[in-house]
Amino acid sequence: AQSVTQPDIHITVSEGASLELRCNYSYGATPYLFWYVQSPGQGLQLLLKYFSGDTLVQGIKGFEAEFKRSQSSFNLRKPSVHWSDAAEYFCAVGPPYNQGGKLIFGQGTELSVKP
Amino acid sequence: GAVVSQHPSWVICKSGTSVKIECRSLDFQATTMFWYRQFPKQSLMLMATSNEGSKATYEQGVEKDKFLINHASLTLSTLTVTSAHPEDSSFYICSARDFDRAQGEGGGNIQYFGAGTRLSVL
Repeated sequence: AQSVTQPDIHITVSEGASLELRCNYSYGATPYLFWYVQSPGQGLQLLLKYFSGDTLVQGIKGFEAEFKRSQSSFNLRKPSVHWSDAAEYFCAVGPPYNQGGKLIFGQGTELSVKP
Repeated sequence: GAVVSQHPSWVICKSGTSVKIECRSLDFQATTMFWYRQFPKQSLMLMATSNEGSKATYEQGVEKDKFLINHASLTLSTLTVTSAHPEDSSFYICSARDFDRAQGEGGGNIQYFGAGTRLSVL
């Protein structure tokens, strides 16, 4: 079955500290992988994506993610967290190429940032 | 680029009335748009896939007659919540599918999301 697991429901980090949000997926083929961020009461903003090529991808707002095929993981990282990064983060997988386009979302990880 | 506009951002209505939510892709054409519902502190639940010029595809358990979807143009899809009741109160989010231009022809799909609509039914 296709699924996305974000093991951490809530994470709190201090401002300036590093961050890693975990994402594991189960999919038949190598999917498109995405990280989205959602601020309270807002829609989702695309942070970064991966389909092929370099397994370390850079996104907006200083975020990066690394695809590890052997671990079926796509963890999101940021070296130094800012207070404005407090939000909900969703990992999602979608089909490769032009196959429908439905996304499967993880349950989300809520990030809190301590001053 | 890849901006999706959703309107209204917040609507309050009386029980039994209908509410229409619009989703527009502003700088690209979207043959496919998606409608999601999100409950507090939860992930997104896909309600339906909206296809331009054809009938929407609803997910299992979603009432077609309750949630009417129209995708009349390549830039506009609408969701109408008919005869709304308090249990329909929720956060509704649309997305529009665009091709991954970085991948070129044959690339996959990316969904770009609207800002969401908070529906409160009294």
